[in-house]
Amino acid sequence: ELKVEQNPLFLSMQEGKNYTIYCNYSTTSDRLYWYRQDPGKSLESLFVLLSNGAVKQEGRLMASLDTKARLSTLHITAAVHDLSATYFCAVVYLQGAQKLVFGQGTRLTINP
Amino acid sequence: DVKVTQSSRYLVKRTGEKVFLECVQDMDHENMFWYRQDPGLGLRLIYFSYDVKMKEKGDIPEGYSVSREKKERFSLILESASTNQTSMYLCASSPRGTGYEQYFGPGTRLTVT
Repeated sequence: ELKVEQNPLFLSMQEGKNYTIYCNYSTTSDRLYWYRQDPGKSLESLFVLLSNGAVKQEGRLMASLDTKARLSTLHITAAVHDLSATYFCAVVYLQGAQKLVFGQGTRLTINP
Repeated sequence: DVKVTQSSRYLVKRTGEKVFLECVQDMDHENMFWYRQDPGLGLRLIYFSYDVKMKEKGDIPEGYSVSREKKERFSLILESASTNQTSMYLCASSPRGTGYEQYFGPGTRLTVT
């Protein structure tokens, strides 16, 4: 069974600082997604990572994937208040059909 | 743009009532999913469907059933609502194939009293 764990689950940081959210998963997979959720809203896709060593960047967010370590990171550079949200990673479950397994989510609060 | 809509944003029901949550997608996606979201637990898959009239149990199917009579519509049914089914329910759809990106609806916050 695939388990996906994120840490930290809660993160409060100052604007302008850098930080990293970690996503570990327990069994082999070849595809990982990062989603963002604003309070009261649905999930919005940020990145899809398709292979070992994949790196994607959008503005102040950068995601990477190490399939050998079964680890993905979401790095925030020079945080701004607008990035406050909950971030989820989701991993494709290769032994099941068309299924994603989600981490618990990381609630990020960026203070001015 | 893919659009996934859900019939209600907020719903309040009494214990024992039968509850229907409806989801419609407009992108001709084969796969549709129902999740519930609870604080600290992330999203947990209830049921999914990869074709009309087909359904598969997810990780937490107990107390729920689903119906997919048309490709664009996927319904979640709580046969007899209980207070522990108070949650946010999210519907998603994706193209056919393993692990394609899922597109989510706005969610239904269900409260069972």
